[in-house]
Amino acid sequence: DQQVKQNSPSLSVQEGRISILNCDYTNSMFDYFLWYKKYPAEGPTFLISISSIKDKNEDGRFTVFLNKSAKHLSLHIVPSQPGDSAVYFCAASAAFLGGSQGNLIFGKGTKLSVKP
Amino acid sequence: ETGVTQTPRHLVMGMTNKKSLKCEQHLGHNAMYWYKQSAKKPLELMFVYSLEERVENNSVPSRFSPECPNSSHLFLHLHTLQPEDSALYLCASSQALAGGGHRELFFGEGSRLTVL
Repeated sequence: DQQVKQNSPSLSVQEGRISILNCDYTNSMFDYFLWYKKYPAEGPTFLISISSIKDKNEDGRFTVFLNKSAKHLSLHIVPSQPGDSAVYFCAASAAFLGGSQGNLIFGKGTKLSVKP
Repeated sequence: ETGVTQTPRHLVMGMTNKKSLKCEQHLGHNAMYWYKQSAKKPLELMFVYSLEERVENNSVPSRFSPECPNSSHLFLHLHTLQPEDSALYLCASSQALAGGGHRELFFGEGSRLTVL
């Protein structure tokens, strides 16, 4: 059973508008969450992260929100740009568990298309 | 240019061939990983090496054999693969945390494997 779920396989947004990518998780032990961005034929690149002690982290146009009670996080991109078109992966880890649980667990990804 | 380099970028092999994928990281990290990305599936963790010792083997078939001669190099030896093994194989590195767990992974660009 998937511990990290991205239920929307794709999202299309107009340039300049807000993109909201969602991610749900099931393991309450996760204490660190990350978003990765992947272009075709390239490896994923780290975008932004958030620790479970926070509910928001912002970096330029990218903001990640964490709702621990709902086991839900979201990535907001505003304003969206055509260059943001990529697949976005949500990932989670539980550092203090160590071993396999300390490794990153990825969602299936959401393909974002930003139209000019 | 990423700090994690993978070669070859593309590989086509028959089911009876023996080939190897190579990964090198220039980031001074102490943990290296092999991930498999198949279509419409989450990134699947295959192997983890921390301080050159294999600490994770996620029920990967024995036709995949990893080797980590030092903290900067990681190999994936391939032998008698099946067509369903065709996928993008991603190498990553990170700095393992004291007490267990990992944070950001830095990925290579991947090796696209096609098994005929």
